[in-house]
Amino acid sequence: DTEVTQTPKHLVMGMTNKKSLKCEQHMGHRAMYWYKQKAKKPPELMFVYSYEKLSINESVPSRFSPECPNSSLLNLHLHALQPEDSALYLCASSQGPLAGSSYEQYFGPGTRLTVT
Amino acid sequence: AQSVTQLGSHVSVSEGALVLLRCNYSSSVPPYLFWYVQYPNQGLQLLLKYTSAATLVKGINGFEAEFKKSETSFHLTKPSAHMSDAAEYFCAVSVSSGTYKYIFGTGTRLKVLA
Repeated sequence: DTEVTQTPKHLVMGMTNKKSLKCEQHMGHRAMYWYKQKAKKPPELMFVYSYEKLSINESVPSRFSPECPNSSLLNLHLHALQPEDSALYLCASSQGPLAGSSYEQYFGPGTRLTVT
Repeated sequence: AQSVTQLGSHVSVSEGALVLLRCNYSSSVPPYLFWYVQYPNQGLQLLLKYTSAATLVKGINGFEAEFKKSETSFHLTKPSAHMSDAAEYFCAVSVSSGTYKYIFGTGTRLKVLA
């Protein structure tokens, strides 16, 4: 199984709502990532978890809160988002941390988030 | 600092023609380089990667790329374009800046004309 799954596929939320995005992989990968992608732009790294510990936070606003409950799951909790946070949110995983390796990342299909 | 540059945000080719998507990198150490493809409303999929084992790398869907150190390039090619190749293509480099992460190029949108 070389698949990264993400739910939901689409999400519309108001600025006062709290919602969560979920990501799952069963490849035994030990690094997982959250990216934000705006239309016609490359993915922007938000967070990296390595061996279930947060290793990179790219100065993301606190209204985005990641969580890694176990080695297969990654959540992104959303609260009080702004309309400019509307984007495609991609989850990815890799066999291990990228340090000194040629590991490729496996991407999920993404969650299309619209903030109204 | 390591970086990657994709020349041409849009490339159009006729069906059956050669596809050439350009990627240049900047790195003070031997880089790990990747090409990913993204179809509309989907995630990214790895096409191929350079790991220093061979300079000519073959990937999926008939794509290949050649690592040229002298030109600091890793251009993606396919001999004959298919309509199904229409997508966004990203070049990426695995970099170290305290911690390791990917740096993506700005992307090239490939259009295939019938």
